[in-house]
Amino acid sequence: AQSVTQPDIHITVSEGASLELRCNYSYGATPYLFWYVQSPGQGLQLLLKYFSGDTLVQGIKGFEAEFKRSQSSFNLRKPSVHWSDAAEYFCAVGANFGNEKLTFGTGTRLTIIP
Amino acid sequence: GAGVSQSPSNKVTEKGKDVELRCDPISGHTALYWYRQSLGQGLEFLIYFQGNSAPDKSGLPSDRFSAERTGGSVSTLTIQRTQQEDSAVYLCASSFRSVAPGGEQYFGPGTRLTVT
Repeated sequence: AQSVTQPDIHITVSEGASLELRCNYSYGATPYLFWYVQSPGQGLQLLLKYFSGDTLVQGIKGFEAEFKRSQSSFNLRKPSVHWSDAAEYFCAVGANFGNEKLTFGTGTRLTIIP
Repeated sequence: GAGVSQSPSNKVTEKGKDVELRCDPISGHTALYWYRQSLGQGLEFLIYFQGNSAPDKSGLPSDRFSAERTGGSVSTLTIQRTQQEDSAVYLCASSFRSVAPGGEQYFGPGTRLTVT
């Protein structure tokens, strides 16, 4: 069975600082990986996805993520965070081309301090 | 264009009552998903519809939960005899393809269900 682990429940960073959110997955075949963001009271918005090819993927809002098969990781990064990045971030893995059910991690809540 | 819409946005019900939650997917999307987001449980898959195929119900937590999708579009999630542990945000998503890479699930704003 597939699973996703986000080891950090809550992270606080200063505005302008760099950010890395960790994600580890367990899946027996080629994983299809996603990062979603959920702002307070909002639905989930896709930041980026990895299906194949270049292991460094670029997303919206200046985010990027790197797929490392050897480490079963798909960490999300941003070089300089903005106050508007404060939200909950979810990593997810999908089966069968990523169009079937997603298995989500428990999320990482990001707080930005001035 | 319009995104995924869900109604109601909030629902408060008494324990033991039945509730229906509605999802309108993006027009033309063939796949529709229901997820539940609750404190301490994260986001969990409930059920998935793809075209005319039999739905994947593997995530439904009990037989009190059921869902249907009429005409390949609107879906209704029904919870019978609600319990307090059913309190959660119920999210619906839709996507365009299910047999090729590149699909993306678009999520609605959710329905917050509170069982008192």
